Amino acid sequence: GQSLEQPSEVTAVEGAIVQINCTYQTSGFYGLSWYQQHDGGAPTFLSYNALDGLEETGRFSSFLSRSDSYGYLLLQELQMKDSASYFCAVKKDSSYKLIFGSGTRLLVRP
Amino acid sequence: DTGVSQDPRHKITKRGQNVTFRCDPISEHNRLYWYRQTLGQGPEFLTYFQNEAQLEKSRLLSDRFSAERPKGSFSTLEIQRTEQGDSAMYLCASSYPGQGAGETQYFGPGTRLLVL
Repeated sequence: GQSLEQPSEVTAVEGAIVQINCTYQTSGFYGLSWYQQHDGGAPTFLSYNALDGLEETGRFSSFLSRSDSYGYLLLQELQMKDSASYFCAVKKDSSYKLIFGSGTRLLVRP
Repeated sequence: DTGVSQDPRHKITKRGQNVTFRCDPISEHNRLYWYRQTLGQGPEFLTYFQNEAQLEKSRLLSDRFSAERPKGSFSTLEIQRTEQGDSAMYLCASSYPGQGAGETQYFGPGTRLLVL
């Protein structure tokens, strides 16, 4: 089977840095994606890692360690609009579907 | 707006009725996915198409669920004899192969189904 674990909730202060971790257990792992979803909205792609290391896109960075079956999303210079749910999602080598974690709800406080 | 669109956005039905949802993907995208999301959970894969071919279907998808993509463009998801447990947000996403194996999936706004 497969499973993904991420914290259910994280709270941080505006302007701070927050890290959302994701550990996964799956056979045939290919890559790890991160999606953002505001309440009532659609999931929106943030980043994708297939190789070990850090990918940076503006204020957001994502890291992957395949040997540790672990990744994280790093959000810098937090803004109020970053309050949302963040999902890690695994892509397997045998399929194009995504297998999502249960999400981390981020609350950014003034 | 050239994003993924879904219709209807909301649907309330009585248990035992049939419902059908439509998804229009981004025009050049040949892969189309259906997911289901309940409150506090991540999207759960249901099925996906490459062009008109349905290539994968979740074991969670009972015989009451059927999806089609007859011309490789829009898709429909039908739920027959709805049950209260079918109440959820049904999300459609699309992607195209030009981005490589890690291709981004673009999600529509979803259809929220409530079965009474």
